Amino acid sequence: DIQMTQSPSSLSASVGDRVTITCRASQSISSYLNWYQQKPGKAPKLLIYTASSLQSGVPSRFSGSGSGTDFTLTISSLQPEDFAIYYCQQSYSIPRTFGPGTKVDIK
Amino acid sequence: QVRLQESGPGLVKPSETLSLTCTVSGNSMSSYYWTWIRQPPGKGLEWIANIYYSGNTNYNPSLKSRVTIAVVTSKNQFSLKLSSVTAADTAVYYCASTDPNHGGFQHWGQGILVTVSS
Repeated sequence: DIQMTQSPSSLSASVGDRVTITCRASQSISSYLNWYQQKPGKAPKLLIYTASSLQSGVPSRFSGSGSGTDFTLTISSLQPEDFAIYYCQQSYSIPRTFGPGTKVDIK
Repeated sequence: QVRLQESGPGLVKPSETLSLTCTVSGNSMSSYYWTWIRQPPGKGLEWIANIYYSGNTNYNPSLKSRVTIAVVTSKNQFSLKLSSVTAADTAVYYCASTDPNHGGFQHWGQGILVTVSS
């Protein structure tokens, strides 16, 4: 199985801050990396697919980059509705695997 | 817009079989892979299995011996069976659509909490 790690595991930030979350795969996954946002009691929501493509309807303040083993999710200006847990997920091989999540909360 | 809705019992006894159904609306089932994902309370996400409308399946090796996924395209439904459950199988179970091009889970059901307890 491909192991996914994320850093940090949690962060505190203020509205308007630029936030960066890192995801690393245990082997190269090319660009087959997706990012999700999950709010309490809700299903995850797809934000970014294939590392850098913005899912339809997702605000442009979200962006993704990377390839191979190292990936980044950036929120350019954090908004109140962005406080949530963010997960990365590889779609390179079976079984699909997720990172452990990064919790973004209010400073 | 694709909509998914999980249904099934919220309580299952240890050693019994968990059975869930996902009903899909708003799109042809041939457009996506159909997936089950679970999340134990307060924990992360675990991919269980997926199926294509043709019947092709993929399973998580960690669960493969206990899992069966099936599709009934005429009813716009797909299902999950997990046998010999224990308390470790207590989780919110989500069904989701998987884009066949990029593998992202594009649409999700609201999730159903299944508790394993006697």
